[in-house]
Amino acid sequence: NAGVTQTPKFQVLKTGQSMTLQCAQDMNHEYMSWYRQDPGMGLRLIHYSVGAGITDQGEVPNGYNVSRSTTEDFPLRLLSAAPSQTSVYFCASSHGGLAGAWYNEQFFGPGTRLTVL
Amino acid sequence: AQSVTQPDIHITVSEGASLELRCNYSYGATPYLFWYVQSPGQGLQLLLKYFSGDTLVQGIKGFEAEFKRSQSSFNLRKPSVHWSDAAEYFCAVARTTDSWGKFQFGAGTQVVVTP
Repeated sequence: NAGVTQTPKFQVLKTGQSMTLQCAQDMNHEYMSWYRQDPGMGLRLIHYSVGAGITDQGEVPNGYNVSRSTTEDFPLRLLSAAPSQTSVYFCASSHGGLAGAWYNEQFFGPGTRLTVL
Repeated sequence: AQSVTQPDIHITVSEGASLELRCNYSYGATPYLFWYVQSPGQGLQLLLKYFSGDTLVQGIKGFEAEFKRSQSSFNLRKPSVHWSDAAEYFCAVARTTDSWGKFQFGAGTQVVVTP
């Protein structure tokens, strides 16, 4: 198993550009989530999903869109990048859907370091 | 409002010494509590978790944590640290009466291990 994979590892964007951060998992996990990590802030939840076709907002959803068309993939879209979105982005997955994903360990990808100029 | 507080941003400890990392939460009900570790350039790995029952929980890599309801705390401990324990440690809370999808992480504690 590859676990949770994220692409790209590094990305530089100009203000106003759009892009999609890819996340995939091969563990058949129902729950997937996106976090951003900023110095002194820890990880903050952006969006999450408890299964294909079901997504919801986390703590800091503004400026980001997600969709979940398959169990395996959970892409994060930045529609119009801003310097405030410069961060390290982590995707995570775990077993558990509506019954309570937080029972289970979240498996994290290696992260994407995004810089917006 | 911040639900999880890690008061220590940075801790330096000698190899072989004991380590305690503090975590406090603010939440009306008993949350589900977790400790994660992040090695440099890596994603996060679960060390241990608490849901209910015995308030002293054992985790991987020789770590343990104690839940104290009266103090709203979930401190992480290790009796004797190894150089490989140098990393950033995050306490996290799952708000069980809130939306079941929402975790909150503390700001993290950076641990430096000296020879």
